[in-house]
Amino acid sequence: DTEVTQTPKHLVMGMTNKKSLKCEQHMGHRAMYWYKQKAKKPPELMFVYSYEKLSINESVPSRFSPECPNSSLLNLHLHALQPEDSALYLCASSQVSGGAGDTQYFGPGTRLTVL
Amino acid sequence: QKEVEQNSGPLSVPEGAIASLNCTYSDRGSQSFFWYRQYSGKSPELIMFIYSNGDKEDGRFTAQLNKASQYVSLLIRDSQPSDSATYLCAVKVSNNQGGKLIFGQGTELSVKP
Repeated sequence: DTEVTQTPKHLVMGMTNKKSLKCEQHMGHRAMYWYKQKAKKPPELMFVYSYEKLSINESVPSRFSPECPNSSLLNLHLHALQPEDSALYLCASSQVSGGAGDTQYFGPGTRLTVL
Repeated sequence: QKEVEQNSGPLSVPEGAIASLNCTYSDRGSQSFFWYRQYSGKSPELIMFIYSNGDKEDGRFTAQLNKASQYVSLLIRDSQPSDSATYLCAVKVSNNQGGKLIFGQGTELSVKP
C-alpha cells in the first residue's frame, strides 16, 4: 500500500481566514514533506519532517506553519494568506532509510484558492 | 545553471512509437533518480527510480542512467494516448537526511492516436 491521503481536496479561503491542510500515511514512513505546485511548474519543496522533527524549512513565509503530531500525520496551518499562495499543495512521504532508493510517494493534493 | 534540466516539450509521438524523455543534472554526488508522471490537475505518480548505472526495465518503461555523463532518461515503448502527461525527472540531493528532491521543469508528452 503506497497511499497518502490529503484533506480537503479543495479549499477556498479569504486572506483573513485561518485554515489547515491535513495529510496522513500508514506506510510506516518516517519522513513527510509539504510541496507547493503552481500551474505548469514542478513541485517546490516547503518543509521536511524527519522522525517527527522539522529538518528542512525552505525559507517559507511564516503564514505557513507546519505541524507533525505523530509519525502518520502532517498538518499545514494557513493564516493571512495572499492570492499568490493559490496553488496545489502536495504532501509526500518516504522511508528514512538513508539508502539510495528512498522514494517519495505523493498524496492527491489540496487545491487552494485564496480570494 | 539549473540543477536538473529537461526539455519542456511538448514532445509529440504517434501511438505505438517509442517516446524518449531526457534529463541532465549538475550535482555529481547525486545518488538517486526518479521519474514521475503527472496528469493535468493531478498529483505526481512514481513511475520508476534508478540509482545504478545502466538500464532498468519495468513493463513498457525503461530508465537509463549514465552517471559519468550526468544523464538519465526514460523510454516508453508502445506509447499509448493514456501516456499523455507531464513527466518529471527528480534527483535526490546527496548526503541529505529525508531526501530532498530537485525536480526538473517537466516534459509534456502527447501521444497521438
